[in-house]
Amino acid sequence: SAVISQKPSRDICQRGTSLTIQCQVDSQVTMMFWYRQQPGQSLTLIATANQGSEATYESGFVIDKFPISRPNLTFSTLTVSNMSPEDSSIYLCSVVGGTGARNYGYTFGSGTRLTVV
Amino acid sequence: GQQLNQSPQSMFIQEGEDVSMNCTSSSIFNTWLWYKQEPGEGPVLLIALYKAGELTSNGRLTAQFGITRKDSFLNISASIPSDVGIYFCAGQFSSGNTPLVFGKGTRLSVIA
Repeated sequence: SAVISQKPSRDICQRGTSLTIQCQVDSQVTMMFWYRQQPGQSLTLIATANQGSEATYESGFVIDKFPISRPNLTFSTLTVSNMSPEDSSIYLCSVVGGTGARNYGYTFGSGTRLTVV
Repeated sequence: GQQLNQSPQSMFIQEGEDVSMNCTSSSIFNTWLWYKQEPGEGPVLLIALYKAGELTSNGRLTAQFGITRKDSFLNISASIPSDVGIYFCAGQFSSGNTPLVFGKGTRLSVIA
């Protein structure tokens, strides 16, 4: 499966500030997704990161709050903007589908644990 | 949005016992996957199922894709302490690389 490096692994941030989370994959992948996992909860899809175009957001998530970039097939960033304590969650990067003959299935990074104070 | 109903929410079992958990949906799924998440980590894929009726094993784990394509179960045999964690089912509605929908998870505790 793909090896995903997600940074930072955790952070404590002041309300009103922004944090950018990076997701780096060791090989090219077809799709990259960003999920949120609130404390004690399941995973909720935030958006699909599209290479070279605007991300596709799920209901309840907007670009102004969660801007996403995907400049190439191995890298994406998620920014959590103007943070409030309600944004305290684990944010997870997920990838699927290698290019060529390699298909990675659905693999997750180890997550970024965000606490907003 | 679409939801997966996963049960039980939590389980406390003795080491050596077998475990069973399941997921159901009102919609037909194209793919079922089972993940395990440990504290401080992202979910790790355990088993992926692609065909209705498919039964797949991975060591002490066995999972099945229901015939109706609306359910799946995961069994763990002879549980050990390192089986502790949260198990999630996840499904994909359509073919191709579309996002997954997750169940709410089953928290497994193993008493030695």
